[in-house]
Amino acid sequence: GEDVEQSLFLSVREGDSSVINCTYTDSSSTYLYWYKQEPGAGLQLLTYIFSNMDMKQDQRLTVLLNKKDKHLSLRIADTQTGDSAIYFCAERARDGQNFVFGPGTRLSVLP
Amino acid sequence: EAQVTQNPRYLITVTGKKLTVTCSQNMNHEYMSWYRQDPGLGLRQIYYSMNVEVTDKGDVPEGYKVSRKEKRNFPLILESPSPNQTSLYFCASSLYRGNQPQHFGDGTRLSIL
Repeated sequence: GEDVEQSLFLSVREGDSSVINCTYTDSSSTYLYWYKQEPGAGLQLLTYIFSNMDMKQDQRLTVLLNKKDKHLSLRIADTQTGDSAIYFCAERARDGQNFVFGPGTRLSVLP
Repeated sequence: EAQVTQNPRYLITVTGKKLTVTCSQNMNHEYMSWYRQDPGLGLRQIYYSMNVEVTDKGDVPEGYKVSRKEKRNFPLILESPSPNQTSLYFCASSLYRGNQPQHFGDGTRLSIL
């Protein structure tokens, strides 16, 4: 079955770049998503990428997709304290029936 | 305002007492689903629904029921709750088209004593 993996923790200093990594197993996945969860809140969509793209940039966020290695990354430039949250990688299979989430990476931004 | 609304937001109850968590969306989405979030395990899908009267099991359906009688509502039912169902629950919805992301409710924290 599908599986999505992420490292559980990441700490960076304010102003540095953060890179959160994700690997997935379902080669039929057509859409890959990054969600952000702040304390006490639901998940908020940050960005998504279609599987025929290599890169997508949206302001401070850059998503890189290596389809051959089934590796997805989210880079946050100039990380701020407000970026501290849990970040979830998710995939949606081609048939559109199921979303599979990774365990989430807790990003801590140090002053 | 487009939103997914869950109720209650918090509930403390006892083992065996039936409970229902409601979920409603106002975006005319076909797809709705329920997840539970536990530390270190991320989100695990309980049930999902592709449309009215169509429901399917996710990864962890045991001990839960759902129904989809109307497009906007997708209640989660715990017929006989047990302590291992203490968790944070999220309802989500999306259009049933491949690239459409899910919109999440704010979560329901259930504690089963």
